[in-house]
Amino acid sequence: EPEVTQTPSHQVTQMGQEVILRCVPISNHLYFYWYRQILGQKVEFLVSFYNNEISEKSEIFDDQFSVERPDGSNFTLKIRSTKLEDSAMYFCASSEDGTMETQYFGPGTRLLVL
Amino acid sequence: AQSVSQHNHHVILSEAASLELGCNYSYGGTVNLFWYVQYPGQHLQLLLKYFSGDPLVKGIKGFEAEFIKSKFSFNLRKPSVQWSDTAEYFCAVNSPARGKLIFGQGTELSVKP
Repeated sequence: EPEVTQTPSHQVTQMGQEVILRCVPISNHLYFYWYRQILGQKVEFLVSFYNNEISEKSEIFDDQFSVERPDGSNFTLKIRSTKLEDSAMYFCASSEDGTMETQYFGPGTRLLVL
Repeated sequence: AQSVSQHNHHVILSEAASLELGCNYSYGGTVNLFWYVQYPGQHLQLLLKYFSGDPLVKGIKGFEAEFIKSKFSFNLRKPSVQWSDTAEYFCAVNSPARGKLIFGQGTELSVKP
């Protein structure tokens, strides 16, 4: 069964550094999402992406965040200058079509900012 | 504000016990409703979903959920749990017009053999 994959599984970085989290969505999917879960808190929506542009973003997704689909398979989340509070598990998800379809989640990248 | 509330943070049951996990939502308009499960060390997987039609939906592994519109609830049930059901369970909603999922805080289920 096709799966969403994410790399790396863990990343440790210093505050102020840039990080890029990578995701490979399921191949025929058209909608892509990033969510995050700070330890002990809810899974929170960050951004959705369709047709090479952002469809919706949350208040969390400020100018320090960006997303890109650099080629036909990868979907990346970049954090330009990490802060301590960016430490979280970041989940990528994809769906075949839009809002009426199931979102399939990747295993997550655990980001630790020191 | 849109929100999802799961009342139980941690539930401990013995095998063969019945399970009901509560989920209430606050969301204007039509909603899609989901239950996701995360087994230890694995990623979020869809258990079941409700978009429209019969408010009693059946999912994988013997789980079911009932949408009660008047109560803004979508409780998850299983008549007889197994040790392998030990996991964290997340209720989530979105609207038919927007893909963004709003999650509850999750319920950790521990099943004792």
